[in-house]
Amino acid sequence: GAGVSQSPSNKVTEKGKDVELRCDPISGHTALYWYRQSLGQGLEFLIYFQGNSAPDKSGLPSDRFSAERTGGSVSTLTIQRTQQEDSAVYLCASSLGQGGGFSGYTFGSGTRLTVV
Amino acid sequence: QKEVEQNSGPLSVPEGAIASLNCTYSDRGSQSFFWYRQYSGKSPELIMFIYSNGDKEDGRFTAQLNKASQYVSLLIRDSQPSDSATYLCAVRAGNAGNMLTFGGGTRLMVKP
Repeated sequence: GAGVSQSPSNKVTEKGKDVELRCDPISGHTALYWYRQSLGQGLEFLIYFQGNSAPDKSGLPSDRFSAERTGGSVSTLTIQRTQQEDSAVYLCASSLGQGGGFSGYTFGSGTRLTVV
Repeated sequence: QKEVEQNSGPLSVPEGAIASLNCTYSDRGSQSFFWYRQYSGKSPELIMFIYSNGDKEDGRFTAQLNKASQYVSLLIRDSQPSDSATYLCAVRAGNAGNMLTFGGGTRLMVKP
């Protein structure tokens, strides 16, 4: 697509429920990243996918968080047993992969998650 | 010490003035440097990037890089109220593929 598409744009869920957030990167971008941003805070790295390589999961805050990327394109971030501290905006970004031509990330519009 | 540091601000400048936003980084092997603008409630958008020492100009924006001092800055000339946003500095390290490390951002307020 023309840009990075995230869905849903807003999600309100009850504490303890599981949620799935979706990201559709720019066509041709082999790298995909998930960040989260709490209110008034900076970007917190979660996970990075590069092509068919094993993802860099070093930023996932707990084992309740997981992500997959099917077919090297769409990615889903899953949060199990949500907690109130999971409330944040979850941002997805994509970029060209390894090698030349990298010119930064393009971010999606984010999913605002509220856990009540 | 954080890997990428920015003064959180707010930096307040009058309309028409030059706004100077600064960023320091700790990894001397860092290769490229990015400035993103984030309006309140919106996602970050790329303004410009710089790889080489010196200045790079794009319209009202100038990025300045000094690798010896591990310092990158963004100058905004003729600041407008519409420039009021948080500016994020991001650094691509030499051994981190295309991973960017972000600073905490500087909030800029341009007053009419």
